[in-house]
Amino acid sequence: ETGVTQTPRHLVMGMTNKKSLKCEQHLGHNAMYWYKQSAKKPLELMFVYNFKEQTENNSVPSRFSPECPNSSHLFLHLHTLQPEDSALYLCASSRAGGTLGTGELFFGEGSRLTVL
Amino acid sequence: DAKTTQPPSMDCAEGRAANLPCNHSTISGNEYVYWYRQIHSQGPQYIIHGLKNNETNEMASLIITEDRKSSTLILPHATLRDTAVYYCIVRLNYGGSQGNLIFGKGTKLSVKP
Repeated sequence: ETGVTQTPRHLVMGMTNKKSLKCEQHLGHNAMYWYKQSAKKPLELMFVYNFKEQTENNSVPSRFSPECPNSSHLFLHLHTLQPEDSALYLCASSRAGGTLGTGELFFGEGSRLTVL
Repeated sequence: DAKTTQPPSMDCAEGRAANLPCNHSTISGNEYVYWYRQIHSQGPQYIIHGLKNNETNEMASLIITEDRKSSTLILPHATLRDTAVYYCIVRLNYGGSQGNLIFGKGTKLSVKP
């Protein structure tokens, strides 16, 4: 138990669906992250939020839309995805983002997304 | 791109020390070395980090060479539960988005009975 909870753990969606991934942290952290892990590829940083402000968008397609309503919650809204977007989506949090933090990230267990 | 080079896989006998090497020959003076691991079907877990001195915690020891161009993560008594992918990452500890963690492919450590 890392203090970072992701829901749902598994999601299957069609290319025309709209769905959302949710992440919640109970650690009092101020930074939250979305990473993508595709089969046989390294983890890819997608978005970073620091004190609710987006500080990093790593050239992610607009069909992925993040939302950070407060420091404890992070969402990833998904619409018109492609089969190649199937992956494990990992959320993480840290005391602060970028180099303000210690580099110690706490990860959730991930949401396994399958796009048909 | 990741700034580190790690062997893709290693084996270790249960109860023995696991020594995982990492090359970071282009590391700058301000960059720290971080180690994370990812057990199958879980999110990555922080292990340890250091700048130039050797570091030890309850999970592992980190040995950084004097020129800082390489390091070794040591798990002193490996157990089957230590089977995981181990990531070595260099991170700038100041200066905006450069502080974000960029993962490479890591080393798949298999601990065998």
